Amino acid sequence: EAQVTQNPRYLITVTGKKLTVTCSQNMNHEYMSWYRQDPGLGLRQIYYSMNVEVTDKGDVPEGYKVSRKEKRNFPLILESPSPNQTSLYFCASSSGQGWEQYFGPGTRLTVT
Amino acid sequence: ILNVEQSPQSLHVQEGDSTNFTCSFPSSNFYALHWYRWETAKSPEALFVMTLNGDEKKKGRISATLNTKEGYSYLYIKGSQPEDSATYLCAFTNDYKLSFGAGTTVTVRA
Repeated sequence: EAQVTQNPRYLITVTGKKLTVTCSQNMNHEYMSWYRQDPGLGLRQIYYSMNVEVTDKGDVPEGYKVSRKEKRNFPLILESPSPNQTSLYFCASSSGQGWEQYFGPGTRLTVT
Repeated sequence: ILNVEQSPQSLHVQEGDSTNFTCSFPSSNFYALHWYRWETAKSPEALFVMTLNGDEKKKGRISATLNTKEGYSYLYIKGSQPEDSATYLCAFTNDYKLSFGAGTTVTVRA
């Protein structure tokens, strides 16, 4: 089954404790992306990757890091989480930015 | 940050009625316009990706039009059903980034 998986689905953590949210897709997609969703603001792109070892900032990259060492995986790293990073996070993949995005199930992160 | 606006923010429609709502985006350097349907507690799912001015796409009772010169797209729902209740998102791209609007939440009353 074609899918995008994210782990964990739910996470409560404390300020400053490094965490990684994993994202994996099995569709051989080149383009992968991370978004955060906050009430009233819609989805905002954090980082995107056009292919292995090629990543770039989206609209809200501050406080986040990403890597793309393999085509199927695109982890999101929060080196020192802060409460303003409490949000719902989605990973997505596609054949390119002009193609439909396939979204993962979402990760709800709470930073206290 | 690209300014993508959707209106109205929310709307209520009676079952069987038709409705439409808009997405406006920058008209310069257009690459593609996406529409997604997002049900509560689920992930967004793609409806359409449109790339050409004048493009019209249709999926069942839902259709969309695109005007890249003036920077807007309409989404139409014909004969609304309760299962059409969702938030509809549009997203604009002019390079490799995608910028989403805040969405239009549609509630269909039986």
